[in-house]
Amino acid sequence: GAVVSQHPSRVICKSGTSVKIECRSLDFQATTMFWYRQFPKQSLMLMATSNEGSKATYEQGVEKDKFLINHASLTLSTLTVTSAHPEDSSFYICSARDTGPGEQFFGPGTRLTVL
Amino acid sequence: AQKVTQAQTEISVVEKEDVTLDCVYETRDTTYYLFWYKQPPSGELVFLIRRNSFDEQNEISGRYSWNFQKSTSSFNFTITASQVVDSAVYFCALSEYTSGSRLTFGEGTQLTVNP
Repeated sequence: GAVVSQHPSRVICKSGTSVKIECRSLDFQATTMFWYRQFPKQSLMLMATSNEGSKATYEQGVEKDKFLINHASLTLSTLTVTSAHPEDSSFYICSARDTGPGEQFFGPGTRLTVL
Repeated sequence: AQKVTQAQTEISVVEKEDVTLDCVYETRDTTYYLFWYKQPPSGELVFLIRRNSFDEQNEISGRYSWNFQKSTSSFNFTITASQVVDSAVYFCALSEYTSGSRLTFGEGTQLTVNP
């Protein structure tokens, strides 16, 4: 099956710093990538949808200036959490879609801890 | 708007018992996809099944089976002869064809299988 990687898998940072998370589709071209956030013992919530070469579409309530998404190529999307605060600590998961409808492949997730 | 409800927050069974996880969904689209994912403690989502709205046939895969009933908007998941390794959080999810593969997840069911 299709493989999606995320880097880093775990990051701890100080409050006020920015953190970049990479999501790569390893063996297919992803025209669309999705970013989810999952707080402990909660479900996955879609943050934004990113299409290669265009601006990301953010879900209601997600600050686009705080969560910067770049989808510069068909195999790479990045999420940058700017000026991170402890309340941004969460599990961030990306997924990638190829040309098939309804088919998403998930990365292993990145656990962010902001001190 | 699409919505997924997993009413069972936690289920605890003893090994070898059968267990059914419930999933009820809401959608206005006639074309949609339903999914089940497993999330072990590591956090990585494991894809289990995808069903499209035009295929109501039940499916069996080893100890797993799924019952899709459009009349009740349900897509229930049964594990037969449960094992300790089945312990995880299970998510049901819905994607409407018109939503561009955006997934809406249910709240998840924590399944604990005790030896």
